Amino acid sequence: RKEVEQDPGPFNVPEGATVAFNCTYSNSASQSFFWYRQDCRKEPKLLMSVYSSGNEDGRFTAQLNRASQYISLLIRDSKLSDSATYLCVVNAPRGGFKTIFGAGTRLFVKA
Amino acid sequence: GAGVSQSPSNKVTEKGKDVELRCDPISGHTALYWYRQSLGQGLEFLIYFQGNSAPDKSGLPSDRFSAERTGGSVSTLTIQRTQQEDSAVYLCASSPTGVNSPLHFGNGTRLTVT
Repeated sequence: RKEVEQDPGPFNVPEGATVAFNCTYSNSASQSFFWYRQDCRKEPKLLMSVYSSGNEDGRFTAQLNRASQYISLLIRDSKLSDSATYLCVVNAPRGGFKTIFGAGTRLFVKA
Repeated sequence: GAGVSQSPSNKVTEKGKDVELRCDPISGHTALYWYRQSLGQGLEFLIYFQGNSAPDKSGLPSDRFSAERTGGSVSTLTIQRTQQEDSAVYLCASSPTGVNSPLHFGNGTRLTVT
């Protein structure tokens, strides 16, 4: 089992749609969680951290369920510019803490 | 402020040659990671440096790959006797001390082995 698992997609949605990405992690002692965005042929960039109480940044909402070891990202009112790969990231204990990336979920938003 | 800097941005080399890729992390960041990404694929972890601890080399694909981090700052990834399958984008990322710190990535080095 991979340490961080994501649905690879791709997700194809029309503009204005709401789309949700899910991610599960295997190590219950994981401490911090993030969503990154990666555009084609670019480096990953931090989209948002994920807090235990859930958090929102404009059209983006992140949720964490520690009991189920599950993280989600909700994008409302999708824009063409949201088309990218979304990476779930976990800081897991590994002789200290180590950043583990999921394989990513590809999103295509179409006009 | 300055971000993570990688050089060169592009490198074309002949099969069998050695290459060195450089990463300058953000000043003060104690953690440094190297990843590899082939076209259309996910990030492949290579090596992780954290402060003065022994590096986690578990992701290095073969003994042709090695990395150093001098003085807790600049890192060099060396690939010896390059093969065509080594062609990829090599990404470096750094983060400050602390489990809650996200990674900051450089722009990557695109390596092409001909």
